[in-house]
Amino acid sequence: EVQLLESGGGLVQPGGSLRVSCAASGFTFSSYAMSWVRQAPGKGLEWVSVISDSGGKTYYADSVKGRFTISRDNSKNTMYLQMNSLRAEDTAVYYCAKDGPTGSSWYKWAYWGQGTLVTVSS
Amino acid sequence: DIQMTQSPSSLSASVGDRVTITCRASQSIGSYLNWYQKKPGKAPNLLIYTASSLQTGVPSRFSGSGSGTDFTLTISSLQPEDFATYYCQQNYNTPPTFGQGTKVEI
Repeated sequence: EVQLLESGGGLVQPGGSLRVSCAASGFTFSSYAMSWVRQAPGKGLEWVSVISDSGGKTYYADSVKGRFTISRDNSKNTMYLQMNSLRAEDTAVYYCAKDGPTGSSWYKWAYWGQGTLVTVSS
Repeated sequence: DIQMTQSPSSLSASVGDRVTITCRASQSIGSYLNWYQKKPGKAPNLLIYTASSLQTGVPSRFSGSGSGTDFTLTISSLQPEDFATYYCQQNYNTPPTFGQGTKVEI
């Protein structure tokens, strides 16, 4: 059974940093790309970033480019999102999602974690 | 970026009703269109992928159609558990983008 478990969310001041994690199980983690998707309170869904199966390719939404860094440790079956220079508008529930396998197209998310809330406020 | 526009933004319906939600892309995306259901406090649930393919485990009352720029999600007979917000999403290119959502209410 595929399981994704986010952790690391919390309250951070504007301009601060936070790292959220996504621990995966139930599938061959190193064979799949992974994505982060967020939902701000009362707003819609917004894709944040994707990382390829090996970690060699990463892409970001313009809204977070230069501030967020996605990474993964395939030996630990874990993906990370390092968030720097946080802004109030980054307040959201952050979901990790299992993306496509090696060689396939991305951005079809059948498996999601339960989400972790990041609140940016003074 | 490809803009996805859903209509309506919200609708009121009753159990047993047939419900149709439309999604329009700002450029042709072929069939690279997915539909998700989102309930408060829960992760999104993939309903339809590649415009018309039913995700495993999703009830057959959900169906999708369309290609190019115009797409439709249909719920043939609304059930109590279907009251939620629905999002279309294109996976034609990067960045993947969502519609603004359609809230289905009683």
